[in-house]
Amino acid sequence: DAKTTQPPSMDCAEGRAANLPCNHSTISGNEYVYWYRQIHSQGPQYIIHGLKNNETNEMASLIITEDRKSSTLILPHATLRDTAVYYCIVRPRGTSGTYKYIFGTGTRLKVLA
Amino acid sequence: EAQVTQNPRYLITVTGKKLTVTCSQNMNHEYMSWYRQDPGLGLRQIYYSMNVEVTDKGDVPEGYKVSRKEKRNFPLILESPSPNQTSLYFCASSQPPGQGAIGEQYFGPGTRLTVT
Repeated sequence: DAKTTQPPSMDCAEGRAANLPCNHSTISGNEYVYWYRQIHSQGPQYIIHGLKNNETNEMASLIITEDRKSSTLILPHATLRDTAVYYCIVRPRGTSGTYKYIFGTGTRLKVLA
Repeated sequence: EAQVTQNPRYLITVTGKKLTVTCSQNMNHEYMSWYRQDPGLGLRQIYYSMNVEVTDKGDVPEGYKVSRKEKRNFPLILESPSPNQTSLYFCASSQPPGQGAIGEQYFGPGTRLTVT
């Protein structure tokens, strides 16, 4: 299973874009990148996922490099409510492959007023 | 409302006293999983189940048991709890990715367990 590396913490000013990087240099061709966030001690919440193209939804944008070895989650206009721990994980596409998820320790994002 | 429920939400128990944490989902998901979360260690997977009667070990299965007799339920059993199992536990469910499914996991609210 591909593992991910994220910075332990980041700060971002309210209203500015928050760019959270993730390194997944051992990712294989059939593995998706998923992002989740966890606010306080609540259950993690899905944000976005992608395979090789950039993706955007109502919560965030996901930029995946052409070699797929890293990605960046972008919160375009961070608010205080975006303060959370953000996890980047990889998992196989389709029903083949292991379902062992490796969340790691994530990035603690603090949005500053 | 689509959700994953866990019970109890908080539990304080003593070493060696068997306990079960229940997990139930109402989304007809095939995949269910248990995680524990400890300070500085992030989320670690304990066990997962790909469907009824199919379970497998995650990264930290020692001291835990699970069963999947029905699709909606996936209880976590601690036969003889020890203080090092004091943790925050999360249950999650999802459809496997593919065939139109994204494969995102839905998490329960968590169970805070203290073993003294």
